Amino acid sequence: EIVLTQSPGTLSLSPGERATLSCRASQSVSSSNFAWYQQKPGQAPRLLIYGASSRATGIPDRFSGSGSGTDFTLTISRLEPEDFAVYYCHLYGSSFRTFGQGTKVEIK
Amino acid sequence: EVQLVESGGDLVQPGGSLRLSCAASGFTFSAYWMHWVRRAPGKGLVWVSGINSDGSITQYADSVKGRFTISRDNAKNTLYLQMKGLRDDDTALYYCARAKGDLDYWGQGTLVTVSS
Repeated sequence: EIVLTQSPGTLSLSPGERATLSCRASQSVSSSNFAWYQQKPGQAPRLLIYGASSRATGIPDRFSGSGSGTDFTLTISRLEPEDFAVYYCHLYGSSFRTFGQGTKVEIK
Repeated sequence: EVQLVESGGDLVQPGGSLRLSCAASGFTFSAYWMHWVRRAPGKGLVWVSGINSDGSITQYADSVKGRFTISRDNAKNTLYLQMKGLRDDDTALYYCARAKGDLDYWGQGTLVTVSS
């Protein structure tokens, strides 16, 4: 079983600052099956990044994803007020799907 | 416009049963894998189950295997999750999601509360 571990658990930042979120897999994984989601209170999760580095439709270019193997990163270049939310990394295979435990980006 | 609308969530006693539904519209439902994902109060997202486009392949998380059954009716554009032997730790908001590899569209969720 592959485990995804996100860090930090909570990130306290101000609007305009850069956010760097990490997700580490317990073993090397395929980048093509790796994604990031955003979830705001009372809303459904939204796909941000797929294939580790490709932005989903309608996602602003301040969001970027990178990484390979076991280490993946979501970067928000300049935080907007609407970006304060919980972010999950996600990996899927032929017979499983798993999420990280989430990183909360909160207003400092 | 792609829409996924879950229903069927309720308060149920431990050991009870419940069937969730997810009505899909705005896309060719029969062409996609579909999944259920849940989020317990104060916790993160957890994948529950998935089903392929024609219903011939089903997948389950270990925590629900043998208790939950996923199915679909492509004529009705509807996904189901039959839940039996419900436990306290099944309490969660249950989302259905469309899979295009990644889970690209999600519903708003339906709340299942297991409590005596």
